[in-house]
Formats: sequence, C-alpha cells, structure tokens
Amino acid sequence: AQSVTQLGSHVSVSEGALVLLRCNYSSSVPPYLFWYVQYPNQGLQLLLKYTSAATLVKGINGFEAEFKKSETSFHLTKPSAHMSDAAEYFCAVSEQGGGADGLTFGKGTHLIIQP
Amino acid sequence: NAGVTQTPKFRVLKTGQSMTLLCAQDMNHEYMYWYRQDPGMGLRLIHYSVGEGTTAKGEVPDGYNVSRLKKQNFLLGLESAAPSQTSVYFCASSYWGIDYGYTFGSGTRLTVV
Repeated sequence: AQSVTQLGSHVSVSEGALVLLRCNYSSSVPPYLFWYVQYPNQGLQLLLKYTSAATLVKGINGFEAEFKKSETSFHLTKPSAHMSDAAEYFCAVSEQGGGADGLTFGKGTHLIIQP
Repeated sequence: NAGVTQTPKFRVLKTGQSMTLLCAQDMNHEYMYWYRQDPGMGLRLIHYSVGEGTTAKGEVPDGYNVSRLKKQNFLLGLESAAPSQTSVYFCASSYWGIDYGYTFGSGTRLTVV
C-alpha cells in the first residue's frame, strides 16, 4: 500500500528565504508523485508532478521538486519565498499515474511567510 | 470548458437527513473520485469509479454510497448524515495517457448539525 509522510504540519519562513517542504513516500512500485497547493477556501491546484522523465521537476510559481529514489523523498523547494506563497501544500502519490487507484495524500503542510 | 463541477457548494444538514452531492466532468475522463478533507488529515479517498456503471470503496467509505450511471457524473450520497461527516468534499477525475493528470472540483462544504 502506498503512503505519504509530510514532515512538519506548519513551516514558517521569512519573505525572500528558501522554502523547503518535505515529503517522503512509500510505494511498492515506481511511484507517480505530485505536489498540490490549496489557498484558503479554494480547491487544489497542481504545482508539479513527477513523470519519471527527469528527477528534477519544475513547476509553477517558481517551485521545483527532486525525486530521490534512495531516500524515497520528493521534497518541494523554492529559492525565494513570496507572501503570496502562504497556503497549504499537499504531497500525493499514485502507483498508477492517472489510473484507477486515485491519489494518496499526505496530511499537508501549512506554509507561513513572515514579512 | 468547465472541467469538474460540484454542486452544491455549501450545505447544512441536520443529523439523520440525507443528501446527494453531484460531480460532473466534461473532459470525457474515465476515472472519477470522491475525497473528503478534514483539518490535519489531508484528503482521504471515499469511493472511486473506473468507468460508467462501476464503483469501488476507498479508504473511508462507511456512511456513503455512490453511483456512476453516466460517464460524466459521479454522485455521492449520505443516507443518514452524522456530525462526523462534517467536512469539505472534493470530486476529481482523471485519465490514463502520456499526459496523465487529475482535475479537482472546487469542493462542497458540508456541515451536519
């Protein structure tokens, strides 16, 4: 069975500082990995997804994530935080890509940006 | 192109009442899903469907029923609502292909009092 662990339910960084949100996964097969962002009272927006074509995945809004098989990790980073990045971030895994098993989500990390 | 549309967006139910949440997608996606989101729990899969006329249980199916009579619609039913079902419900659809992906609706906020 697949699972996702997001370390840190809340992460606080200063505006302009590096953002690092951690995600570790468990999967019995090569996984498909996703990061979603959710702004208050809104739905989920896809930031990026890992397709196995490249271990470093670039997404929207300056975010990127690196797939490390040896560490079973898919951490999300952004070099310089902006106030507009304040939101809830979810890491998710699927064993079948866009297939029948759906997505298994982590519990989320609330990103706080300090001015 | 509307994507995934959920109705209603908000609802307040009394304990024991029933209701149906509707999810409609216009992308001809084969797979559809219902999730619930609770604080500190992320999103958890309630039920899903791999095609018209099929349904299957997810992680937290108890107290819910679903139907997929038409490919574009996926209904989530609560037969006898309980306060524990107070949550935000998200529908999603997906497809399998080179550019696979999941599309989410904007959510339904349900309160059971």
